[in-house]
Formats: sequence, C-alpha cells, structure tokens
Amino acid sequence: AQSVAQPEDQVNVAEGNPLTVKCTYSVSGNPYLFWYVQYPNRGLQFLLKYITGDNLVKGSYGFEAEFNKSQTSFHLKKPSALVSDSALYFCAAPFYNQGGKLIFGQGTELSVKP
Amino acid sequence: EAGVAQSPRYKIIEKRQSVAFWCNPISGHATLYWYQQILGQGPKLLIQFQNNGVVDDSQLPKDRFSAERLKGVDSTLKIQPAKLEDSAVYLCASSPEPRGRGETQYFGPGTRLLVL
Repeated sequence: AQSVAQPEDQVNVAEGNPLTVKCTYSVSGNPYLFWYVQYPNRGLQFLLKYITGDNLVKGSYGFEAEFNKSQTSFHLKKPSALVSDSALYFCAAPFYNQGGKLIFGQGTELSVKP
Repeated sequence: EAGVAQSPRYKIIEKRQSVAFWCNPISGHATLYWYQQILGQGPKLLIQFQNNGVVDDSQLPKDRFSAERLKGVDSTLKIQPAKLEDSAVYLCASSPEPRGRGETQYFGPGTRLLVL
C-alpha cells in the first residue's frame, strides 16, 4: 500500500540551531513529494515540492528538503530555526492511480524555543 | 492573486442538524478538493472535482455527506445529519489543470466544525 510516514510527533529545537523534520514514503513509480506547514487556526501553506532533478529542493522561508531514493526519505531542513517556525508540518505525496489526491503523513509539531 | 476562500470559518451545531460549507477556488483552477482534518491527523480527501465532474469520492460518506460544484467554480459541501465524529476542520484546496503529477494544491483557511 502507498503511504507517507512522519516518524516523529514532535520536534523540539533551540532558536538558531538547525532543524530536521523527517518523512519517509512508500509509493509506486517515481515519487512526487510535498511539504506543507500549518499554523494554528490556518489552512495548509505550501513550502516546497520534489518532482525530478536535483535531490536538494529549496522552498519558502529558508526551508529545504533532501530527497533520498535509497532511503525512501524526504526530510525537511533549515540551517537556523526561528521561533516563528513553530507550527505543524505535513509531508504528502499524490497518488495518481487514485485521481491525484494527496496522501498526508500524520504531521510533526515543531517547537522552536528562544 | 487571491487565494482559496472558505466560509464560514467556524460552525457549532448539534448532532442530527445539517450544515453547509462554501469554497471559492483560485481563479482558473480546474481541480477542487475537499479534505477532512480530524484533530491530530493529516488531512484526508473527501471528494475531488475536475471542473464540474467528480474524479474521486471514494472516501465520502455518501449517506450523510454531499458536495457539488456547479458551473465548475464554487463548491458546497453539506453534512446532513451531522454526527459527533464529524467534528473536524474541513479544508478546500484547488490546483491548476493537471499536466502531469506535480501540480501544487493550494489550501483555504478551513472551516472548523464542532458537533455537540
């Protein structure tokens, strides 16, 4: 079965330190992968996506993600965390044998402390 | 460019009542999605429209949920009658005409439903 998993419910980071939010996937064919962020009482905001090409994808707000085919991972990273990065992060992949709907991971709560 | 609009933002109803949510996608976007997000979980697709046709409604509880997208623009999602387990955030998203598999879905702010 195709799936997206985020193994950590919560990640705690000190401001200024690098952050990583993990995502692994199980899809058929070449994967397309997305990261979204959700602030309290807000909808999901698109951060970045991997389609093909360079394994390091740069996105909004200084975030980047590294696609690793051998480890079936697509971890979200930022070199220096900000308190304002505190939010809920979702990894997702579209399944086009099911009409293109996004399948989401369960989400990771990122908390950045001053 | 205006984003995806949704209303209302919040709704509180009693079980067995009915409720309707409205979504206006980004102008020109052919595909519209309704997702249900239960607290502590990732969003789950309820229904997907391509223009005014249904592409996927396999996860829609059709005995109580219905959705329409008249004229291929705005959409309405209805629940009748509501159950306690319908308490969730209902997210609307839209994306451009699909040319492959990489089209980004853009989400509205969501409607938070509480069923008492």
